[in-house]
Amino acid sequence: DTAVSQTPKYLVTQMGNDKSIKCEQNLGHDTMYWYKQDSKKFLKIMFSYNNKELIINETVPNRFSPKSPDKAHLNLHINSLELGDSAVYFCASSHTSNAGNTIYFGEGSWLTVV
Amino acid sequence: TQLLEQSPQFLSIQEGENLTVYCNSSSVFSSLQWYRQEPGEGPVLLVTVVTGGEVKKLKRLTFQFGDARKDSSLHITAAQPGDTGLYLCAGSLPGTYKYIFGTGTRLKVLA
Repeated sequence: DTAVSQTPKYLVTQMGNDKSIKCEQNLGHDTMYWYKQDSKKFLKIMFSYNNKELIINETVPNRFSPKSPDKAHLNLHINSLELGDSAVYFCASSHTSNAGNTIYFGEGSWLTVV
Repeated sequence: TQLLEQSPQFLSIQEGENLTVYCNSSSVFSSLQWYRQEPGEGPVLLVTVVTGGEVKKLKRLTFQFGDARKDSSLHITAAQPGDTGLYLCAGSLPGTYKYIFGTGTRLKVLA
């Protein structure tokens, strides 16, 4: 009964490749997020969708493109991967973000670019 | 510029000791949350504080939200090895959907 599930969990790929990470939540939430956690464990928001609409788009390179086909899914596609893209990417979801709403995180996708 | 600074960044203590982790900002938040992350997993919510000055207790953990809603603290009494992990505070910016995470505190409790 995984609440927020993302695949793959581990991904090793070469520079220049294009890859996707998929995320699904079965919590009935209307807001989904992608966070990036770097080697220093700093967790930074990349994107957020509310009811399939993009509401947060941080200063992320254009090579990163999120897609939300429906409220329960938020996929992340990365073009022309670079070494600096190596990180753990977390998908998350919550109810419409009012003060105090819990963010539920997936287990993370470990991306290594070689 | 980090909106939410946590201190200390690293903490290694003996079982049974007490500790306090701080989360500071110059920004006002609608709410502040504390998460704990274990290796290989995503962060898991421990508590949410909403009102300035609010204090919440979760067994041996005590959380406080600053009066001005700009800072918070997490106090652990009689730490146990099971408390080992990465502790993250996260603030919700007023009028936005954005949660900003702190810089993190890595706690290790030695048996």
